[in-house]
Amino acid sequence: KAGVTQTPRYLIKTRGQQVTLSCSPISGHRSVSWYQQTPGQGLQFLFEYFSETQRNKGNFPGRFSGRQFSNSRSEMNVSTLELGDSALYLCASSPEGGGRTEAFFGQGTRLTVV
Amino acid sequence: AQSVTQLDSQVPVFEEAPVELRCNYSSSVSVYLFWYVQYPNQGLQLLLKYLSGSTLVKGINGFEAEFNKSQTSFHLRKPSVHISDTAEYFCAVIRMDSSYKLIFGSGTRLLVRP
Repeated sequence: KAGVTQTPRYLIKTRGQQVTLSCSPISGHRSVSWYQQTPGQGLQFLFEYFSETQRNKGNFPGRFSGRQFSNSRSEMNVSTLELGDSALYLCASSPEGGGRTEAFFGQGTRLTVV
Repeated sequence: AQSVTQLDSQVPVFEEAPVELRCNYSSSVSVYLFWYVQYPNQGLQLLLKYLSGSTLVKGINGFEAEFNKSQTSFHLRKPSVHISDTAEYFCAVIRMDSSYKLIFGSGTRLLVRP
């Protein structure tokens, strides 16, 4: 069974630009969550989608948005990039979300904003 | 609100020695507890989790953790570490009431020396 796939692995963008990151979950998984990892703030929850609906959202500005498609693939978008958005963005998928089922993480997308 | 504290940012240890990585949490509601490992340039991999039942939980790669409700702790242990255990370890919690947000500690870097 293929794991969680995130594309691209690495990305360099300029301040003010926007970026879209993609996450393909494990087949059959309907929940996709996104996390931002930085040296200063650690791992922080961005949002979670289940069956195309956002169920939970973290404390991030409106520049951060996401969506989920009918095949459970998810994208996150960051508009008007700032230097502080440089981070490793991790996607996790699980069958139903919540705590009782394991969340499987992708390798992440390393975003650098210059 | 929930919070997770990993007091040790780095733990150096010699190969074949035992190790304990400490994790304390704070929560006004019941939570599930997890330990994840992150190798360089990789995503997160679940080591073990506590949902209910026996407070001693065994995970992959010879790791185990003990849930102590009175001390709100979930320390990770391994009786004999290997060079390959060098990685970042994250303790995390998630609310039992179907929240979909993992709250992570700041991480502990385990450095195994020969």
